[in-house]
Amino acid sequence: LAKTTQPISMDSYEGQEVNITCSHNNIATNDYITWYQQFPSQGPRFIIQGYKTKVTNEVASLFIPADRKSSTLSLPRVSLSDTAVYYCLVVPRFQGAQKLVFGQGTRLTINP
Amino acid sequence: DAMVIQNPRYQVTQFGKPVTLSCSQTLNHNVMYWYQQKSSQAPKLLFHYYDKDFNNEADTPDNFQSRRPNTSFCFLDIRSPGLGDAAMYLCATSRVGGDEQFFGPGTRLTVL
Repeated sequence: LAKTTQPISMDSYEGQEVNITCSHNNIATNDYITWYQQFPSQGPRFIIQGYKTKVTNEVASLFIPADRKSSTLSLPRVSLSDTAVYYCLVVPRFQGAQKLVFGQGTRLTINP
Repeated sequence: DAMVIQNPRYQVTQFGKPVTLSCSQTLNHNVMYWYQQKSSQAPKLLFHYYDKDFNNEADTPDNFQSRRPNTSFCFLDIRSPGLGDAAMYLCATSRVGGDEQFFGPGTRLTVL
């Protein structure tokens, strides 16, 4: 499974756009890039998944360059409630079970 | 609402005393997973069930067992808990070929 590298921590302010970059140099052809969010004392929550170019949903955008060796999670206009740990994962797209291998994650702190 | 439920939310046990954690789901997903998350660490997959087929991770200690009596329920048994087994235990589900895993709120295990 491809290993991911992301910043350990980031700080921002309410109303700002936050971009968290993840590198995954050894990503395989059938791997998808997936992001999860985890609040303290809760289970992780799926945010977004993509294969290439750009994906957008009601929560975030995911930018993936053509070589797919990195990706950027973009959170528009963050609020205090976006303070959490964000995990970037590379997940093989098989028709079976997903074996998620979590890296260290990025601890995002949003300040007033 | 369809969801993943874990009981109890907090469990205290004594060193060496067997303990069982339970997970139920109303999503009717084929796959159920158990993760261990120690303080300030990322979740780590212990094992998963694909329908009735049990799949153990290579580095999961023998002390950890699991049962899935039906689609809705899955149990994590820790036969002889040690102090190092104190952690949050997370249950998750996914459908075959799905994009995401749905996590429960976790059970925080304390070993005295």
